[in-house]
Amino acid sequence: GAGVSQSPRYKVAKRGQDVALRCDPISGHVSLFWYQQALGQGPEFLTYFQNEAQLDKSGLPSDRFFAERPEGSVSTLKIQRTQQEDSAVYLCASSPLFVAEYPPQHFGDGTRLSIL
Amino acid sequence: AQSVTQLDSQVPVFEEAPVELRCNYSSSVSVYLFWYVQYPNQGLQLLLKYLSGSTLVKGINGFEAEFNKSQTSFHLRKPSVHISDTAEYFCAVSVTGRRALTFGSGTRLQVQP
Repeated sequence: GAGVSQSPRYKVAKRGQDVALRCDPISGHVSLFWYQQALGQGPEFLTYFQNEAQLDKSGLPSDRFFAERPEGSVSTLKIQRTQQEDSAVYLCASSPLFVAEYPPQHFGDGTRLSIL
Repeated sequence: AQSVTQLDSQVPVFEEAPVELRCNYSSSVSVYLFWYVQYPNQGLQLLLKYLSGSTLVKGINGFEAEFNKSQTSFHLRKPSVHISDTAEYFCAVSVTGRRALTFGSGTRLQVQP
């Protein structure tokens, strides 16, 4: 497809389980971002990749969160030992350029994660 | 660190009426400013951006925003809204050298017939 694709769209997990969320950016896009959006809130930055390099992971809330983009295209966000406060929509976005003047313009529809 | 405040959590307005969604920011360095729209169960779509130059920025769907440095504001306006404009609107800021966007908490625009 032409847009950013995220899977699964919905994920329900029990507290303590590990989850993996996938993002397929637009082909050829250099920059890839992950954001976390809690219910009723604006998105909060998690991490940023330029190609396969993770240049900024300052937003990851704990060491239970891990992101990778090994070949510079598809990215996976992994959450270990999930907790209820991890329940949120996880948004992925990509951009063709890697300068600050060009914000993420193409967002996926997100993965809604619910931790029981 | 920078922050964004969207003063109104909800804005009800009648169709074809004008609307202004308010956004104020705080930063110790120069910023880039953005507005995004989010329709239910979808990701964000960039409406417009201010990088430099003219303080009046025009975006998609008839929206525009004005950057006011002295008031640290970047309010979004539309002269005549449509039912289809009903959505959540987010103001965001970034700073030079950092790709991360800082978002406000959003304003829900509810257009009524």
